Amino acid sequence: KNQVEQSPQSLIILEGKNCTLQCNYTVSPFSNLRWYKQDTGRGPVSLTIMTFSENTKSNGRYTATLDADTKQSSLHITASQLSDSASYICVVSGGYQKVTFGTGTKLQVIP
Amino acid sequence: DTAVSQTPKYLVTQMGNDKSIKCEQNLGHDTMYWYKQDSKKFLKIMFSYNNKELIINETVPNRFSPKSPDKAHLNLHINSLELGDSAVYFCASSQESLTGVAYNEQFFGPGTRLTVL
Repeated sequence: KNQVEQSPQSLIILEGKNCTLQCNYTVSPFSNLRWYKQDTGRGPVSLTIMTFSENTKSNGRYTATLDADTKQSSLHITASQLSDSASYICVVSGGYQKVTFGTGTKLQVIP
Repeated sequence: DTAVSQTPKYLVTQMGNDKSIKCEQNLGHDTMYWYKQDSKKFLKIMFSYNNKELIINETVPNRFSPKSPDKAHLNLHINSLELGDSAVYFCASSQESLTGVAYNEQFFGPGTRLTVL
């Protein structure tokens, strides 16, 4: 069964600190992996997308890594800001319209 | 110049009623989607649709039906609403590659919070 598991479920960090969110998946075949940010009460917004051949991709203070061999991905947030408080969702695509969503990590950045 | 819009934002209705949620995208995308996000914030795809085919998640009850009057719209009709249908429903769109691999970014609407009493 295709699954995407994220950890931790929730995380509280101080403003300015770094953090790393984890995503493990069992989706096969594998097409691509995306990280989304979802603010409370809004739709998800794409942060990064990586295919099999890519092992890192950055978007500002967000850096995603992918290890297709171990089927793991991480999202690293540098110098966190209050506006980073949101849910972060890992999404793995196994082919056309075969998309599996993780349950998300809820991040809270406090002053 | 909202990219993906949904109406209404909130919908409160009685069990057994029939309701519709509208979605429009002005991005010129060829594929649109409906997702359901439950109380545990788990997003699950319900439908994906382009001008060629509709793909239905087999777990979606047939009380739910998408209707696309044109390429820019994909509305969601729900018949005989049940308590368990209460959730936030998101519409999304993307421009899928010719190879048929879901690579491109999906743009999500703001969501419609449906409450069934």
